[in-house]
Amino acid sequence: DGGITQSPKYLFRKEGQNVTLSCEQNLNHDAMYWYRQDPGQGLRLIYYSQIVNDFQKGDIAEGYSVSREKKESFPLTVTSAQKNPTAFYLCASSILQGATNEKLFFGSGTQLSVL
Amino acid sequence: RKEVEQDPGPFNVPEGATVAFNCTYSNSASQSFFWYRQDCRKEPKLLMSVYSSGNEDGRFTAQLNRASQYISLLIRDSKLSDSATYLCVVNILGAGGTSYGKLTFGQGTILTVHP
Repeated sequence: DGGITQSPKYLFRKEGQNVTLSCEQNLNHDAMYWYRQDPGQGLRLIYYSQIVNDFQKGDIAEGYSVSREKKESFPLTVTSAQKNPTAFYLCASSILQGATNEKLFFGSGTQLSVL
Repeated sequence: RKEVEQDPGPFNVPEGATVAFNCTYSNSASQSFFWYRQDCRKEPKLLMSVYSSGNEDGRFTAQLNRASQYISLLIRDSKLSDSATYLCVVNILGAGGTSYGKLTFGQGTILTVHP
């Protein structure tokens, strides 16, 4: 079955530590996204990528980094510079073809907490 | 002003009730509009795309008003299973009709349907 897979489901970060969240899709989608969700809030865009080896900052990119070396993979690193990393992180992908409607396919999310 | 703003709710309605959510957006260049549903600590799932002519899917009706820059979602004959957070999502197309690949989420409206 095609889909988008995030891992791990739960992750704990120690002070000053970098952690990496995995996101893999086998839908052959061009675009991939990382969102952060805080309790009672909507999703805020961290980074997105429309093509391999290229990505753009979203609204809250500070303290995060990404790479897009393969079409299927878009890992997110939460660096020690991100002072408030506790949140629910969602990865998504979509077809990108200049269409007016682009349905997002989401992974099941990673809950990151600080120890 | 936020790019996408929703009634925060929460909306607490009895089974069988009709409930309506509104969502306003600030960028008149916005081209694609969606309603997503999110259950607690789960990934959002597409409920409906929203078209200029309005569209209906069973008990759900979505409307778009470009002049006033808002979209709405109407749920008729509410069921207990409709209890969730409803997210308004807006996409902005870039120059030449290509997508920025940036979908902006509202903060979500919480709906609770009780017996």
